[in-house]
Amino acid sequence: GAGVSQSPSNKVTEKGKDVELRCDPISGHTALYWYRQSLGQGLEFLIYFQGNSAPDKSGLPSDRFSAERTGGSVSTLTIQRTQQEDSAVYLCASSLDRGWSTEAFFGQGTRLTVV
Amino acid sequence: EDKVVQSPLSLVVHEGDTVTLNCSYEVTNFRSLLWYKQEKKAPTFLFMLTSSGIEKKSGRLSSILDKKELFSILNITATQTGDSAVYLCAVEGIQGAQKLVFGQGTRLTINP
Repeated sequence: GAGVSQSPSNKVTEKGKDVELRCDPISGHTALYWYRQSLGQGLEFLIYFQGNSAPDKSGLPSDRFSAERTGGSVSTLTIQRTQQEDSAVYLCASSLDRGWSTEAFFGQGTRLTVV
Repeated sequence: EDKVVQSPLSLVVHEGDTVTLNCSYEVTNFRSLLWYKQEKKAPTFLFMLTSSGIEKKSGRLSSILDKKELFSILNITATQTGDSAVYLCAVEGIQGAQKLVFGQGTRLTINP
């Protein structure tokens, strides 16, 4: 596609429910990143995928968070038993190669609200 | 732990003013520093800086890095209302995962 695509753009869920957020990176981009941004805060790293290597999950805040990337393309971030503190904008980015460069692009994000 | 601190957190100026945004950092094995502009949800890339003292320029925006003092500044001259946004600074270290560490951002508001 022309850019990084995320869906849904907005999601309201009840506390305790599971949610899935999807990211469709730019075709051919091997690196994919998930960040989240709470209101008024900077971007917080969650997880990084690079090709077929094991993902770097060091930023996932708890075991309720998981992510997968199928076929080296689309990625899904799953949050189980959502809590109100999970409310944030979840941003996905992709780049051609390891490391950040001018080729790194962000999606429009998913605004998650847990009520 | 890698850390990025931006200042000010918020800035309100009049159209036509010049602004300077600051970013200081601590990172293991510095590789690059990046500036992004975030208007709604998706940050858009502005500059990547890797070498000290070399100014990067794009129109009314410019940025420079000081690797000795561990900071960068982003200048915007002749500001316009369209410059209103959150400006994010991020640093990348060589070791470990290729993740960027972001600062809290500076919310810039340009009043007509």
